[in-house]
Amino acid sequence: AQTVTQSQPEMSVQEAETVTLSCTYDTSESDYYLFWYKQPPSRQMILVIRQEAYKQQNATENRFSVNFQKAAKSFSLKISDSQLGDAAMYFCAYRSQNSGGSNYKLTFGKGTLLTVNP
Amino acid sequence: GAVVSQHPSWVICKSGTSVKIECRSLDFQATTMFWYRQFPKQSLMLMATSNEGSKATYEQGVEKDKFLINHASLTLSTLTVTSAHPEDSSFYICSARGRGKTPLHFGNGTRLTVT
Repeated sequence: AQTVTQSQPEMSVQEAETVTLSCTYDTSESDYYLFWYKQPPSRQMILVIRQEAYKQQNATENRFSVNFQKAAKSFSLKISDSQLGDAAMYFCAYRSQNSGGSNYKLTFGKGTLLTVNP
Repeated sequence: GAVVSQHPSWVICKSGTSVKIECRSLDFQATTMFWYRQFPKQSLMLMATSNEGSKATYEQGVEKDKFLINHASLTLSTLTVTSAHPEDSSFYICSARGRGKTPLHFGNGTRLTVT
């Protein structure tokens, strides 16, 4: 079974600064997807960024980028120019590459609560 | 974009009663729906996976007779918490996917409080 570990229960960052959230995972599969989700106080799950394991290039979405180290099974999220609206719980998640049925399920880490200080 | 509507957004019920939570895909056919439970300040834990027209697959430790899941159509899945107890109080979130390699879409969640 796959596991996802987020070792930082809480992180804080000053507005406009950069912060990196850590995530490691364990799997025996060679093809899979990794995700970062944001959950603000509204509890809505918002997809921040995703990475296909077969792609060597790190995914980037505006101020959000990842450092994907497949051999080390590491998938960190970097938030640049942090904004007050970035404050939320961030979850790292894993999904099998096989698109059939229950393989589409996500395995989540325990989350990192990010505080942005003005 | 694709929208998943979850209803109700919050519900309070008395211990021993049953409560039903609906998850609807509004603009796509959801071949598979997932039900998660999230306790305060904790992660999302998968409860079960439901495919349209077939029985749900429950994760280990989840009581299928207590958490009844029905996925009768391609746009609707329901989770019924039967004989609810205070320990069932939690935040329940559904997610849905369409056919092929389509992304997952999450509902807004339902906060259940059992008194």
